[in-house]
Amino acid sequence: GEDVEQSLFLSVREGDSSVINCTYTDSSSTYLYWYKQEPGAGLQLLTYIFSNMDMKQDQRLTVLLNKKDKHLSLRIADTQTGDSAIYFCAESRVEGGKLIFGQGTELSVKP
Amino acid sequence: NAGVTQTPKFQVLKTGQSMTLQCAQDMNHNSMYWYRQDPGMGLRLIYYSASEGTTDKGEVPNGYNVSRLNKREFSLRLESAAPSQTSVYFCASIRQEVAEQYFGPGTRLTVT
Repeated sequence: GEDVEQSLFLSVREGDSSVINCTYTDSSSTYLYWYKQEPGAGLQLLTYIFSNMDMKQDQRLTVLLNKKDKHLSLRIADTQTGDSAIYFCAESRVEGGKLIFGQGTELSVKP
Repeated sequence: NAGVTQTPKFQVLKTGQSMTLQCAQDMNHNSMYWYRQDPGMGLRLIYYSASEGTTDKGEVPNGYNVSRLNKREFSLRLESAAPSQTSVYFCASIRQEVAEQYFGPGTRLTVT
């Protein structure tokens, strides 16, 4: 995932908000995604945003997209210990519907 | 509706051995993908199949072959396993309308 960058670690306290950031490179990407991976499990799609949107909210999750800066963020409100996981952002490529993933951000939620 | 299934869940191989990782989806998706996941590197695309009968290389295809047996099944073969192929392998299929990928549970492969 050289084209998509994320910070590797984030630690927050239970009840706080978490913000996970991502930068991407392909301005022609149509969709941008956030996936969650719990230990030993596969990837679970959390949410996605179409490239012509600036913001999408889904319960505790808020996605912000800044196309000019190619910056995507995921905000988790009222973070719980069950939110501890690795979060991947991904951009879609028109060719073959491929996804390009970031390295993943490990979120640690402390009680 | 089982989604995307993968077998086996775990496998240990010796260098030079061969094996096939199986993947199947029951969502009638046209496109299927194989990724590998290594620590600190996210997921990297090995091969993909945009439709039944077609396959294309992804980012890291060397050492692998694939077969799109039918619309449901997409297998990944290691002809001569190497320690560098120790990884977790994920299969995925896509709901084309929103490019939404569904992932299998993964196969954890160790090559000694």
